[in-house]
Amino acid sequence: DGGITQSPKYLFRKEGQNVTLSCEQNLNHDAMYWYRQDPGQGLRLIYYSQIVNDFQKGDIAEGYSVSREKKESFPLTVTSAQKNPTAFYLCASNTGGNTIYFGEGSWLTVV
Amino acid sequence: QKEVEQNSGPLSVPEGAIASLNCTYSDRGSQSFFWYRQYSGKSPELIMFIYSNGDKEDGRFTAQLNKASQYVSLLIRDSQPSDSATYLCAVNGVGQAGTALIFGKGTTLSVSS
Repeated sequence: DGGITQSPKYLFRKEGQNVTLSCEQNLNHDAMYWYRQDPGQGLRLIYYSQIVNDFQKGDIAEGYSVSREKKESFPLTVTSAQKNPTAFYLCASNTGGNTIYFGEGSWLTVV
Repeated sequence: QKEVEQNSGPLSVPEGAIASLNCTYSDRGSQSFFWYRQYSGKSPELIMFIYSNGDKEDGRFTAQLNKASQYVSLLIRDSQPSDSATYLCAVNGVGQAGTALIFGKGTTLSVSS
């Protein structure tokens, strides 16, 4: 089935550690996005990519990094520079008509 | 910076009633408007999108857009307990981020049986 797959669903990070969240889509969508959601809050844009080998910072990019080496894949690395990384992370892709669909999300907790 | 504002709620309605969810946006240049539903602990799912002034109906859901007032609403008719969720309003971004969406903080709806 076509869709957006995020992994892992749950991830624990120790202080000072980098972690990478995976996002894969088989929908042949050009545009992909990473959002962060804190409890009781809306979604905030971290990074987005309109095309392979190109990506742009969103509103809260500090402490995060991404790559877009393949159309299907848009991994997000949460670096040690992100001081408050505990949140729900959502990957999404765009059909080309401004309609965004989401993966199931990844929960990151700092321990 | 575009902003999207929603009343956080909770909005409580009895089963079978009409739920009315409202959203305002700051940028008059916004062209695309979306409503997502998010159950607790889950990712958002698209309910409806609307581009033109007026009403757009899909089953029990009606989206209403008034660009002059910069106002978008979602009506849910014959509300069911399964409609209890957080509803997120979103508008399209600007420039290179034009395909990204800017989200409000969401309104929590509770439908009692």
